[in-house]
Amino acid sequence: DTGVSQNPRHKITKRGQNVTFRCDPISEHNRLYWYRQTLGQGPEFLTYFQNEAQLEKSRLLSDRFSAERPKGSFSTLEIQRTEQGDSAMYLCASSLAVTVPYGYTFGSGTRLTVV
Amino acid sequence: DAKTTQPPSMDCAEGRAANLPCNHSTISGNEYVYWYRQIHSQGPQYIIHGLKNNETNEMASLIITEDRKSSTLILPHATLRDTAVYYCIVRVHSGNTGKLIFGQGTTLQVKP
Repeated sequence: DTGVSQNPRHKITKRGQNVTFRCDPISEHNRLYWYRQTLGQGPEFLTYFQNEAQLEKSRLLSDRFSAERPKGSFSTLEIQRTEQGDSAMYLCASSLAVTVPYGYTFGSGTRLTVV
Repeated sequence: DAKTTQPPSMDCAEGRAANLPCNHSTISGNEYVYWYRQIHSQGPQYIIHGLKNNETNEMASLIITEDRKSSTLILPHATLRDTAVYYCIVRVHSGNTGKLIFGQGTTLQVKP
């Protein structure tokens, strides 16, 4: 197992375009988390899944954001009608429910730049 | 989850011990102290956690004061690869979402 994989690593998009990121968690992990990190700040929680169920969404997750985890495996995070304020690093993490919060494994993130 | 306070930055000489402080004066009895670090261009990495006893693993040691209002993460022999942002997080151990609330952390610069 190579850990949590995120693709793409970098994405540059024009304002108003839609973007989708993918996260492949560690295979036996049933929890999957999305965080957003802007320059100089710590990561901020966006949402999490237990298996395929999305159980919590942050107020940061506006209606332009949607996340899915079909079949409880990989997850996608889509941002519609991107804005310059969406520019950030989007981090995915996975864990077993029984080992949170020390059993987190983070991916290396997708850096989004909206121009 | 209790709030934590960390210095924004620290320097350490390579090979010396790095001592990173964290204040958490409002910590509750069932809250643990967790440390994560984030090396540039990577996601955060778990380091260590503890409740009230001092803890040690292959990466670091965690010293928690008797009143639990503060703690110190110790990297015994810092290397250049330990240059990173270190986050101190206080929260309950389990039974809920497991989400982490990060502050701004301490940027540790290890110098040759």
